[in-house]
Amino acid sequence: GNSVTQMEGPVTLSEEAFLTINCTYTATGYPSLFWYVQYPGEGLQLLLKATKADDKGSNKGFEATYRKETTSFHLEKGSVQVSDSAVYFCALSMDSNYQLIWGAGTKLIIKP
Amino acid sequence: DSGVTQTPKHLITATGQRVTLRCSPRSGDLSVYWYQQSLDQGLQFLIQYYNGEERAKGNILERFSAQQFPDLHSELNLSSLELGDSALYFCASSVDGVGDNEQFFGPGTRLTVL
Repeated sequence: GNSVTQMEGPVTLSEEAFLTINCTYTATGYPSLFWYVQYPGEGLQLLLKATKADDKGSNKGFEATYRKETTSFHLEKGSVQVSDSAVYFCALSMDSNYQLIWGAGTKLIIKP
Repeated sequence: DSGVTQTPKHLITATGQRVTLRCSPRSGDLSVYWYQQSLDQGLQFLIQYYNGEERAKGNILERFSAQQFPDLHSELNLSSLELGDSALYFCASSVDGVGDNEQFFGPGTRLTVL
């Protein structure tokens, strides 16, 4: 079946460090790919998405590129801030089945 | 604020009981999704409704049921509750339920079963 695998956390970085959170997927067909973020005590918010191979999603300094050859959608940010501390979820959906399939989430802790 | 509202915010109940969680989607959104977030299972899709009709079913237990009403709000009913049902339950909505359309999430209902 379809699935998403994320790197385990927590990931702890200092402010202004470079961030990468790995995400790989298994899917029959061509999924749409998403990164959602969950700040402490809040619901999930869409951070960025990509709907076809080689698309790059970007928002708030975060980027992720849909790589079909490596079935990956890694999240990157050049310089993290304390306010980026949150749990990040990678997810996919298929046009034929509209549910989101989620990775386990990666907790990101940014220290000043 | 996503525009999706969920009530109640917290719910504490006992094993064997039945509860109802309510969700109001964003204005104009026709599709509602329910998700369960627990420590051991992570985030799991439960069920999706589109304009009053069930569209997709995920890992939803037989003890759980849902419906979407003509005004598009949705309710998730959980019965014969067990300790393992303790979780955060999210509702999300989207415009038309197409796979790559953004889903907007409510703040969740935290269910504690004692």
